[in-house]
Amino acid sequence: AQSVTQLGSHVSVSEGALVLLRCNYSSSVPPYLFWYVQYPNQGLQLLLKYTTGATLVKGINGFEAEFKKSETSFHLTKPSAHMSDAAEYFCAVSDQGTDKLIFGTGTRLQVFP
Amino acid sequence: NAGVTQTPKFQVLKTGQSMTLQCAQDMNHNSMYWYRQDPGMGLRLIYYSASEGTTDKGEVPNGYNVSRLNKREFSLRLESAAPSQTSVYFCASSEQPSGYYEQYFGPGTRLTVT
Repeated sequence: AQSVTQLGSHVSVSEGALVLLRCNYSSSVPPYLFWYVQYPNQGLQLLLKYTTGATLVKGINGFEAEFKKSETSFHLTKPSAHMSDAAEYFCAVSDQGTDKLIFGTGTRLQVFP
Repeated sequence: NAGVTQTPKFQVLKTGQSMTLQCAQDMNHNSMYWYRQDPGMGLRLIYYSASEGTTDKGEVPNGYNVSRLNKREFSLRLESAAPSQTSVYFCASSEQPSGYYEQYFGPGTRLTVT
């Protein structure tokens, strides 16, 4: 069965620093890959997704992620953190041909002034 | 568009009580989902409905039932609540029943069972 691993349940960065949130998946067949963000006391919203084509995917709020098949990874990055980026981030995957998402356990991002 | 709405926002139940969580979407989506979110465990799928008239079990269905009332509404019922069901519950919808499509989430229901 497909699984998702997010390394680091908490990540802290200074405002203006690089944000790197890690995600690895288990499938040998390239799945569909997603990053969702959850702000405090809210539901999840989509940041970006990879289905096919270009492996570097740009999302909202300056985030991007790169699909690396050889590493089975889909890490999320942002060059310069902003205080408003403080939230919980979830990586999710689905196998082609299924209708379910499998979520990682989440990474809480803290941004310090 | 309101998107996905959920009621209630908060609920406290005693062990053994029953309740129904309501979810509605106004995006004409075919598929709807119920998740629970627990600290350190991410989101886990309880039940989903690929299309009106169909429902299927997800990863953690025990203790829950669902009803796809019509295309807009998908309810989750706890027949006899247990403390292990204390969680935040999210409803979501997507255009089609395929993992290709983005899921849109409601604001959640925070349930405490004492």
